[in-house]
This record gives sequence, structure tokens and C-alpha cells, in this order.
Amino acid sequence: GAGVSQSPRYKVAKRGQDVALRCDPISGHVSLFWYQQALGQGPEFLTYFQNEAQLDKSGLPSDRFFAERPEGSVSTLKIQRTQQEDSAVYLCASSLSGLLLGTGELFFGEGSRLTVL
Amino acid sequence: AQKVTQAQTEISVVEKEDVTLDCVYETRDTTYYLFWYKQPPSGELVFLIRRNSFDEQNEISGRYSWNFQKSTSSFNFTITASQVVDSAVYFCALSESVGDYKLSFGAGTTVTVRA
Repeated sequence: GAGVSQSPRYKVAKRGQDVALRCDPISGHVSLFWYQQALGQGPEFLTYFQNEAQLDKSGLPSDRFFAERPEGSVSTLKIQRTQQEDSAVYLCASSLSGLLLGTGELFFGEGSRLTVL
Repeated sequence: AQKVTQAQTEISVVEKEDVTLDCVYETRDTTYYLFWYKQPPSGELVFLIRRNSFDEQNEISGRYSWNFQKSTSSFNFTITASQVVDSAVYFCALSESVGDYKLSFGAGTTVTVRA
């Protein structure tokens, strides 16, 4: 497809389960971002990749959160031992270059809605 | 500390009315970028505009216009002659020069346009 694709769109997990969320960015996009959006709030930055390098993971809430992008394209966000407070929409975004180059446009996927029971 | 404040949580208007969304930001950087994104019910955020801190010219794009005032640290967004399709959550965001890849989003303003 032409846009950023995320899967699954919806995920229900029992507390303590591990989950993996996948992001397929737009082909050729160098930069990839993960954001977390709690209900009724704006997205919060989690982590940033430039190609396969994870340049910033300062937004990851705990060491239960892990992201990778091994070949510089598809990325996976993994959450171990999920807790109820992890319930949110996880948004992936990509851009051809950085925010300050070109139009600065980030292309977002529709998100993966995680509900932890 | 909240870097971007969108004081209006919800705005409801009748079609064809104008609606202005307020955005106030906070930064110590002299170089920064401001953005507006639209989030329709489908969930994906749609880029609307990026402005840099050195360009205070107001911008108009169709029914959309933006008013950037550094003196008041505001970057307000107006939809003229609103339509039902404008119903969405609108987010203002800031990118500071130190971390130019990060966006700090406001809490968003939900706009409902009634026919």
C-alpha cells in the first residue's frame, strides 16, 4: 500500500502477556517513529529510528518496552508483561528524511489499539 | 512541563460557521517548528502545516488559515465556512531545535461540525 501500515489494528491482552506491534513504513522512508496515544490525549513520543539505528529511545516508559527495525524498513514494538496502564493506541509514523527537511511531514499509520485487561 | 497548550477541549459549530483553534507553546529555543495535524475518526494523523520560528507570515490554504504570533507564543488555526468533513480532533505540535525529530503534541481540540 501507499501509506504506513500497522498491525494488528486491535489487540486485547491479559495482564502479564507479551505483545508485538508491527509497523510497515512507506517504502524508502528513512525515519521511523513510535508514539503512544492515551485516550483523550495527544500522542507522546516513544522512540525514533534512522534506518536501522535507534537514535533515541528516551520516551519508552519502562524496560518492558522494546523496539527494533533490523533491516531499516519494518519495525516492531514489543511490550513485555503488559500492564493495564499500557492500554493506549500505538502510532507509527515515517518520513523520507527528518522533520526539518522537505516539508517536515510525518506520515502516520492508523495505529494499533492495545487493551490490557 | 507542558510545551503545547490547547485550552479548548471541544468546539461544536453549525456548518458554514468559522471556527478558530487556539494553540500556545512554550520553548526557550530561538529556532523551532510548529505543526498542526488533523485526526479523523479513522485514527491516522494527517499533516496540515509546518511553520518555522523565523517565518511569522500568516498562511492561507483553501478554507484553512494560520496565525503565528511569536509575541504571544501562539499559533492559532482557523477553519472558514466549516463543513461536516472537518469534524475531527486537531493537534498542535512543537519541534525544538535540540531534538528536531521529536514532536511535542498538545492534548487536542475536538471539533464537531453539525449539518
